[in-house]
Amino acid sequence: GQQLNQSPQSMFIQEGEDVSMNCTSSSIFNTWLWYKQDPGEGPVLLIALYKAGELTSNGRLTAQFGITRKDSFLNISASIPSDVGIYFCAGRAQYNFNKFYFGSGTKLNVKP
Amino acid sequence: SQTIHQWPATLVQPVGSPLSLECTVEGTSNPNLYWYRQAAGRGLQLLFYSVGIGQISSEVPQNLSASRPQDRQFILSSKKLLLSDSGFYLCAWSGLQYNEQFFGPGTRLTVL
Repeated sequence: GQQLNQSPQSMFIQEGEDVSMNCTSSSIFNTWLWYKQDPGEGPVLLIALYKAGELTSNGRLTAQFGITRKDSFLNISASIPSDVGIYFCAGRAQYNFNKFYFGSGTKLNVKP
Repeated sequence: SQTIHQWPATLVQPVGSPLSLECTVEGTSNPNLYWYRQAAGRGLQLLFYSVGIGQISSEVPQNLSASRPQDRQFILSSKKLLLSDSGFYLCAWSGLQYNEQFFGPGTRLTVL
C-alpha cells in the first residue's frame, strides 16, 4: 500500500531556531497538506499545496510541493514555544481521489 | 462557513459494551466523510470513508462498523468493544470544491 515517510520523528530545538521537516511518498501525489495537532485536539490544516514546485507561506511557515510530486517539506522560521505539537504531512494520490495518506508525524519541542 | 462536530468528547466504556460515535458536518453538501483512529503519540489510521449516503469503504477489518444515514452524518459503531478499541477517534470531511481535509475535535474513548 501507499507509504508516506515523514522525518524527523521528533525534534528538540531552542526558541528562535528554524525547523525543517519533510515527507516522501512512493506514488505521485496531486495534493500535499500539512497539519499541526495539539494534545487532545484534532489536526488543524496549516498549508495546502496543489502544483509541483509550488511554494506557499502561512506566517512563519513555508511549505513546498516537490518537483517530482513525490515529496514535500515544511519549514518553520524563528520558532516560538506555541509551535510545540505534532506536525503531519498528508497527500492525495492521483490514483485515488477519495483517500488521504498521512505521515507518522514529527513531534516538535521548543525550549524557551 | 463549514463546521464539523463530534460527540461525545470523551467516553469511558466497559469491555463488551456497544459503541456509537457521531459526526456531523455543517455548511457543505455531499462531502466525503472519514473516520480515523489515533493511538497515544501515534499517527492516524484510516478506518472508514464514505463518498455518499449508504456508501461505506472499510480500510481495516475489525469489530467496528460505520454508517452514513444522512448526507452530513457519519456514525461509528461497535456491538462489543475490546480493550484495543481505546484511542482518539477523529472524524474528517473533504469536498468536491476543496482538495483539503478538515478534522473534527475528536472523541477520546477509553475501554476498561
